[in-house]
Amino acid sequence: LAKTTQPISMDSYEGQEVNITCSHNNIATNDYITWYQQFPSQGPRFIIQGYKTKVTNEVASLFIPADRKSSTLSLPRVSLSDTAVYYCLVAPSGYSSASKIIFGSGTRLSIRP
Amino acid sequence: EAGVTQFPSHSVIEKGQTVTLRCDPISGHDNLYWYRRVMGKEIKFLLHFVKESKQDESGMPNNRFLAERTGGTYSTLKVQPAELEDSGVYFCASSQEHEQYFGPGTRLTVT
Repeated sequence: LAKTTQPISMDSYEGQEVNITCSHNNIATNDYITWYQQFPSQGPRFIIQGYKTKVTNEVASLFIPADRKSSTLSLPRVSLSDTAVYYCLVAPSGYSSASKIIFGSGTRLSIRP
Repeated sequence: EAGVTQFPSHSVIEKGQTVTLRCDPISGHDNLYWYRRVMGKEIKFLLHFVKESKQDESGMPNNRFLAERTGGTYSTLKVQPAELEDSGVYFCASSQEHEQYFGPGTRLTVT
């Protein structure tokens, strides 16, 4: 099972771009990279998923280099409401692969005014 | 559209007692998952239902835990008898395809 490594915490300010990098050296060929966001007293919420290169949606961008051994979640112009824990997951895509999902410790992002 | 709901939000029981957690998935989602985070640890997979069938229960810690999903709608997770180390937050999620939608969790405290 691919294990991920990401910073325990990060601080930034409103309006800044925040980049959170995740290392996954043992990623397998059929693994996808997924990022979740979690607020206190809530369950994780899906942000973005990718396999290679760059993926962008209305919330974030995900950059994945050619070797896929790392990935970077980019949050443009953060606000106070982006303060949360962010999890990088690596697992095969598909509803049958839930047992292979490893959440890890996540990155606690704090946004200041 | 209503999201995944879980009941109760909090439960405090004594060691040796029984507790039943309930999860109502998003309507139409065939896949239902249970996860938990015990104190200071990471979120871990418990099991996965496809409709009423257990697809994968490799994460269930022991036979004190029983999950059911009769009729393929809501699911229950029963812990009997509860032990101190069962304390934590139990999350339920549902999906139709790849993206999982999580509920707010049930915080279980065993004293």
